[in-house]
Amino acid sequence: RKEVEQDPGPFNVPEGATVAFNCTYSNSASQSFFWYRQDCRKEPKLLMSVYSSGNEDGRFTAQLNRASQYISLLIRDSKLSDSATYLCVVALIWSNQFYFGTGTSLTVIP
Amino acid sequence: EAGVTQFPSHSVIEKGQTVTLRCDPISGHDNLYWYRRVMGKEIKFLLHFVKESKQDESGMPNNRFLAERTGGTYSTLKVQPAELEDSGVYFCASSQQQGANEQFFGPGTRLTVL
Repeated sequence: RKEVEQDPGPFNVPEGATVAFNCTYSNSASQSFFWYRQDCRKEPKLLMSVYSSGNEDGRFTAQLNRASQYISLLIRDSKLSDSATYLCVVALIWSNQFYFGTGTSLTVIP
Repeated sequence: EAGVTQFPSHSVIEKGQTVTLRCDPISGHDNLYWYRRVMGKEIKFLLHFVKESKQDESGMPNNRFLAERTGGTYSTLKVQPAELEDSGVYFCASSQQQGANEQFFGPGTRLTVL
């Protein structure tokens, strides 16, 4: 069983749309949660950390539901520059290693 | 500030050959990680250095893979002998602190074994 599950998409949305990505994790000992963004053939870059209370950064909102072991990312008012693969990342309490989902592909269409 | 750098960006070798990948972490980052993405799969952890010491090598696939970080600066990952299933993108990451803090990734080395 995978540690982190994501819908791979692809998601194709028009500019200005709102799009949501979901992710589930299997280990209840997971402590830290992140969304990374990866452009084609580039390195993954941190988009935002995910906190228990939920957090927002501009057009991006991340939510965590520990009871359901579920993480989400909401992107409002999509821009062409948001086109990328979004990686759900989880880290366990006792470990430094990151567990990645396979990523969700987003294309924002003009 | 320079980010994590990796060399080479691409490598194409034949089965049975040896390849050495290099990673230069962000200056001052004691923690260095190697990850690998095989086509169609998720990025997976290989190992973690704290300075020159291997903290966790639970993700290393087999003894054909050897990672070193002499002097606690740059790291190398050697694959010897390479097999077809070793093809993929090898990412290096570094972080200033241990624990589940942000890891900064390099651009990766794309390895193709023919």
